[in-house]
Amino acid sequence: DQQVKQNSPSLSVQEGRISILNCDYTNSMFDYFLWYKKYPAEGPTFLISISSIKDKNEDGRFTVFLNKSAKHLSLHIVPSQPGDSAVYFCASSFNAGGTSYGKLTFGQGTILTVHP
Amino acid sequence: GAGVSQSPSNKVTEKGKDVELRCDPISGHTALYWYRQSLGQGLEFLIYFQGNSAPDKSGLPSDRFSAERTGGSVSTLTIQRTQQEDSAVYLCASSRGASVPNYGYTFGSGTRLTVV
Repeated sequence: DQQVKQNSPSLSVQEGRISILNCDYTNSMFDYFLWYKKYPAEGPTFLISISSIKDKNEDGRFTVFLNKSAKHLSLHIVPSQPGDSAVYFCASSFNAGGTSYGKLTFGQGTILTVHP
Repeated sequence: GAGVSQSPSNKVTEKGKDVELRCDPISGHTALYWYRQSLGQGLEFLIYFQGNSAPDKSGLPSDRFSAERTGGSVSTLTIQRTQQEDSAVYLCASSRGASVPNYGYTFGSGTRLTVV
């Protein structure tokens, strides 16, 4: 049962344009969402997060949008740069019994390629 | 240490042999997680340690998998009688506590296990 899905295995974008990476989830208990970026032979690194009480969080060129009714989140990168080429994973978590719980459920990842 | 350290970085083993993978979390991080990424798949949760609490082993795929965390620091993931389907990158991560911080966890670079 894939609770977090990234339906696009890959995305190719021209430098300077917008990259939009999508993620869908099925578990309505998820209340915290994160995006990670992964380069080859390295561990994933945290990029940006959003709590379910918000619908948008922005950090520089990166913005995450959350649509709770659609159980959908997206990551926008603008302008895209060749150094952004990596695998992007979305991840979700939820509070269990009133205590925040660190276990994350990850999507399959989307390979982003930004062409110069 | 400055980051999460995993060893070995690569391991090739024969089917049926046992392997041990090691993780040194960031000093002071009380939560430690093991994930794995099989080819073309997302990050699959394996096990989670938080302080002195009983670990959450709900992600371990079979009883051939076990993990320990000694002294609240170093963790070892052991796979007994390895099978070819165990081939994957095994990632360790740590975080300051049970709550999901707004910067997520810190991952190590992983151990690439190949079972031949």
